[in-house]
Amino acid sequence: NAGVTQTPKFQVLKTGQSMTLQCAQDMNHEYMSWYRQDPGMGLRLIHYSVGAGITDQGEVPNGYNVSRSTTEDFPLRLLSAAPSQTSVYFCASSYRGLNTEAFFGQGTRLTVV
Amino acid sequence: AQKVTQAQTEISVVEKEDVTLDCVYETRDTTYYLFWYKQPPSGELVFLIRRNSFDEQNEISGRYSWNFQKSTSSFNFTITASQVVDSAVYFCALSGSYGNKLVFGAGTILRVKS
Repeated sequence: NAGVTQTPKFQVLKTGQSMTLQCAQDMNHEYMSWYRQDPGMGLRLIHYSVGAGITDQGEVPNGYNVSRSTTEDFPLRLLSAAPSQTSVYFCASSYRGLNTEAFFGQGTRLTVV
Repeated sequence: AQKVTQAQTEISVVEKEDVTLDCVYETRDTTYYLFWYKQPPSGELVFLIRRNSFDEQNEISGRYSWNFQKSTSSFNFTITASQVVDSAVYFCALSGSYGNKLVFGAGTILRVKS
């Protein structure tokens, strides 16, 4: 089983560029979520989705967009990258709610210069 | 607002020592869930345990044990007879009953030396 797959693993962007971080899961989980991990701050929730067609904001949503057209996929879009978005991004899925066990992808290390 | 505090930024121990990682949480919810995740040097996050607010029984899984005390809002994690493979960042996390929020602590770096 692949579990949660994130691509790419590494990315360098110039300020103002846009890009999409891909996330796919094959466990038929309802909930999917995106987090960013910064030193000394743990993981912070960016956006989450409770099912296809339904998304909502987390703790730090500014500068990021998401959509959920299928159960399997939950891409994260950076419309105009800023140096403050340099971080490690994790996608996760869970069967029912963020209060159940989460399965994480391998992470994407993004650097914005 | 929900908050998780892991006051220990970094802990270093020698192999076979016992070590306890502290986690203190704040929430106004009466129903909530607490988690521990492990992040080894390879970077992925691995689920260790989930505990709901109505179950204060301590849990033991091999060398790992968890002490949940509502009276002190703590959910501490103990590794007995630590091993080098236990070296990782450990995160404590808190979620409410609606399942629409998950708040992580800053993490504790555990270094186990041989």
